[in-house]
Amino acid sequence: KNQVEQSPQSLIILEGKNCTLQCNYTVSPFSNLRWYKQDTGRGPVSLTIMTFSENTKSNGRYTATLDADTKQSSLHITASQLSDSASYICVVSGGPGNNRKLIWGLGTSLAVNP
Amino acid sequence: DARVTQTPRDKVTEMGQEVTMRCQPILGHNTVFWYRQTMMQGLELLAYFRNRAPLDDSGMPKDRFSAEMPDATLATLKIQPSEPRDSAVYFCASGLITGTGVALPMNTEAFFGQGTRLTVV
Repeated sequence: KNQVEQSPQSLIILEGKNCTLQCNYTVSPFSNLRWYKQDTGRGPVSLTIMTFSENTKSNGRYTATLDADTKQSSLHITASQLSDSASYICVVSGGPGNNRKLIWGLGTSLAVNP
Repeated sequence: DARVTQTPRDKVTEMGQEVTMRCQPILGHNTVFWYRQTMMQGLELLAYFRNRAPLDDSGMPKDRFSAEMPDATLATLKIQPSEPRDSAVYFCASGLITGTGVALPMNTEAFFGQGTRLTVV
């Protein structure tokens, strides 16, 4: 069964600190992996998109990594800010050729405290 | 400022009542998605349209849910009759996507609206 699992479920850090969020998936065959940021009361917004051949991709203070062999991805946030408080969702595109789907994780809820 | 617009933002209704949620996709986008988000299940795809044609609504309870796209500027999701278990946030998203299937190819993106928070009491 195609699945996307994220950890931790929730995380609290102090402003200025770094953190890393994890995403493990079993989707096969794999097409691409996305990280979304969802602020409270708003829709998800894409942060990064990665394909099989990409190991690292950065978007400002956000850096995503992908290990397609172990089917793991991480999202590293550097020098966190209060505005980073949100839910971060990992999404994998993949599946059999004529039935490719988006498989969404449940997200990691991040709280950045002053 | 192109964005996906959803109405209403919040809806509280009694069990058994009809609920209609509306979505205005970004002009020029050919694909519209309807998602439901709950704490337990996360984001679940209910239905999606390409060029106004319904391509996949297998995620939707057929007996009470219906999705339509009467024109390129309006998508609707209707629940009749509504039940307490329908309480969730419903998101509409749109994108410009070629080919078939619901997976997002590498060079495309889906843009989400702010959602409709539905509470059925």
